[in-house]
Amino acid sequence: RKEVEQDPGPFNVPEGATVAFNCTYSNSASQSFFWYRQDCRKEPKLLMSVYSSGNEDGRFTAQLNRASQYISLLIRDSKLSDSATYLCVVVGWGNQFYFGTGTSLTVIP
Amino acid sequence: GAVVSQHPSWVICKSGTSVKIECRSLDFQATTMFWYRQFPKQSLMLMATSNEGSKATYEQGVEKDKFLINHASLTLSTLTVTSAHPEDSSFYICSAMDSRSYEQYFGPGTRLTVT
Repeated sequence: RKEVEQDPGPFNVPEGATVAFNCTYSNSASQSFFWYRQDCRKEPKLLMSVYSSGNEDGRFTAQLNRASQYISLLIRDSKLSDSATYLCVVVGWGNQFYFGTGTSLTVIP
Repeated sequence: GAVVSQHPSWVICKSGTSVKIECRSLDFQATTMFWYRQFPKQSLMLMATSNEGSKATYEQGVEKDKFLINHASLTLSTLTVTSAHPEDSSFYICSAMDSRSYEQYFGPGTRLTVT
């Protein structure tokens, strides 16, 4: 079983829609969680950290569910500029970073 | 956010030559840096973890004698692709970890083409 599993999509949504991605992880001892965004042919950029209490940054909300071992990213009021690949990252003991394969999002006008 | 630079951003080399890629954390110290490779339309693949002052830890299947990593200071790690071959052509990305937050900050990547 992979350390981190993520639905690759693609997700094609109209502008203004709300879209959510989930990412499951296998190691219950995982410590830290992040969502990154990667545009085509560019490096990943940190979108947001995921805290136990959940966190919100504008149209983006990230949540952690330790009991079910998944993290989620919710994007409200999608913009064309949100089109990208979204990567989840899970950090285990010893600073082991595990990346999901990424979820492709295309926002359609 | 923190800044990580990578140099060169793009390189073309002939088969059999070696290429060195530098990764620098510009505004924070990074005891741990990571090197990734990414093929078109595929996810990042971790190649190795670079720890300042010690040997790098390579992922399974990554040849340590081919991909030499040196992390001599808290702000610089280098990856040398030795005796490059066309199949080594890829997008190489480094990242530096902020040890306080565990957040990784990525360099802009180096596109290597071996002819």
